[in-house]
Amino acid sequence: ETGVTQTPRHLVMGMTNKKSLKCEQHLGHNAMYWYKQSAKKPLELMFVYSLEERVENNSVPSRFSPECPNSSHLFLHLHTLQPEDSALYLCASSQGLAPGSADTQYFGPGTRLTVL
Amino acid sequence: AQSVTQLDSHVSVSEGTPVLLRCNYSSSYSPSLFWYVQHPNKGLQLLLKYTSAATLVKGINGFEAEFKKSETSFHLTKPSAHMSDAAEYFCVVSVYYKLSFGAGTTVTVRA
Repeated sequence: ETGVTQTPRHLVMGMTNKKSLKCEQHLGHNAMYWYKQSAKKPLELMFVYSLEERVENNSVPSRFSPECPNSSHLFLHLHTLQPEDSALYLCASSQGLAPGSADTQYFGPGTRLTVL
Repeated sequence: AQSVTQLDSHVSVSEGTPVLLRCNYSSSYSPSLFWYVQHPNKGLQLLLKYTSAATLVKGINGFEAEFKKSETSFHLTKPSAHMSDAAEYFCVVSVYYKLSFGAGTTVTVRA
């Protein structure tokens, strides 16, 4: 596997379910990101991790819970979601967060989430 | 603060003709600028990046972009469109790790 991978690619869940999205990067990067892409809206940055430490939580509701056990893996745990949370969730990674290394982000294919 | 405006929400071209996607940006700092492409049901693929080394940036698949500071523009071009270029294109301005995305331009290519 190369680049950034995400599983599952598609997920349908009820509002009372608990599920997790997984992201893995094979680029040797130290920073990882979760984005939300909703129809007709610009990409929204949700969370940023650097060296397994969360450095940004962009006012995301607590029903979204990120986890970064090591610099290669990033999870997004989901519980009691709402229909408006249906979107494409994209993971990205970058070399680091220092100027010059932070801004080139490489994206995974995304998980298409539908909340019923 | 930074922001991006993509001037066309949709561009339609014939195969073999040039493609022009327009992007204006604003930034309080010296930004990095990017173009990403997203094919249906796929993630974002980096096309090219500007970081002040050269104003004309060449990317993958024959795309290039020209940075014009005086016009605060970063337009994307390709001399000859291919059917596989049909996708959505995003202009992005970055300061540190904060990426600001444009609303996107959907490109359709007619045979």
